[in-house]
Amino acid sequence: GAGVSQSPSNKVTEKGKDVELRCDPISGHTALYWYRQSLGQGLEFLIYFQGNSAPDKSGLPSDRFSAERTGGSVSTLTIQRTQQEDSAVYLCASSLGGQYRRNTIYFGEGSWLTVV
Amino acid sequence: TQLLEQSPQFLSIQEGENLTVYCNSSSVFSSLQWYRQEPGEGPVLLVTVVTGGEVKKLKRLTFQFGDARKDSSLHITAAQPGDTGLYLCAGVRGDYKLSFGAGTTVTVRA
Repeated sequence: GAGVSQSPSNKVTEKGKDVELRCDPISGHTALYWYRQSLGQGLEFLIYFQGNSAPDKSGLPSDRFSAERTGGSVSTLTIQRTQQEDSAVYLCASSLGGQYRRNTIYFGEGSWLTVV
Repeated sequence: TQLLEQSPQFLSIQEGENLTVYCNSSSVFSSLQWYRQEPGEGPVLLVTVVTGGEVKKLKRLTFQFGDARKDSSLHITAAQPGDTGLYLCAGVRGDYKLSFGAGTTVTVRA
């Protein structure tokens, strides 16, 4: 499709295991974002990519979280040694450029992570 | 701690009634956005307001940005069941980072 694609849509993992979440942005979008949405809370900014580089990683909650983007396209968010508090919906978004006033941001449907 | 406070948290109304959702902050934002999110989907942008005091209308939806650019409201006239969803406001600071409110869950009963 033409939208932001995320996989898996649902993931149940055991505490302590590593997980990888994938995001395929809209073709041609140079800016890519990861957000986390927990029940009853708004979206929490995690990281922003412009091309392959991440000028802002300030939202990553701990060093167990990392993300990379290759070829200016697909991005992977990795969570190591998962904890129950990591359970949330992880949303990826992309836009043509990094300026919200000029470029609409499009969200994927999210990856619902449950750590048991 | 949320930079943006939304109220009410939940709103249930009958079809045809009007509703207003509020988004307040002590911080100034360069612009503010409203999104609607349905279950199992990502948020979808409804509007961006940029200028203090700005009012934008989208069919039955009216969005207002406060004069001081710290608060905003969303008013829906003659609500329909299709308006049901989670409404999120998001403040823009700088070029790319959005600060979201916790959202208002709106249910419109037929």
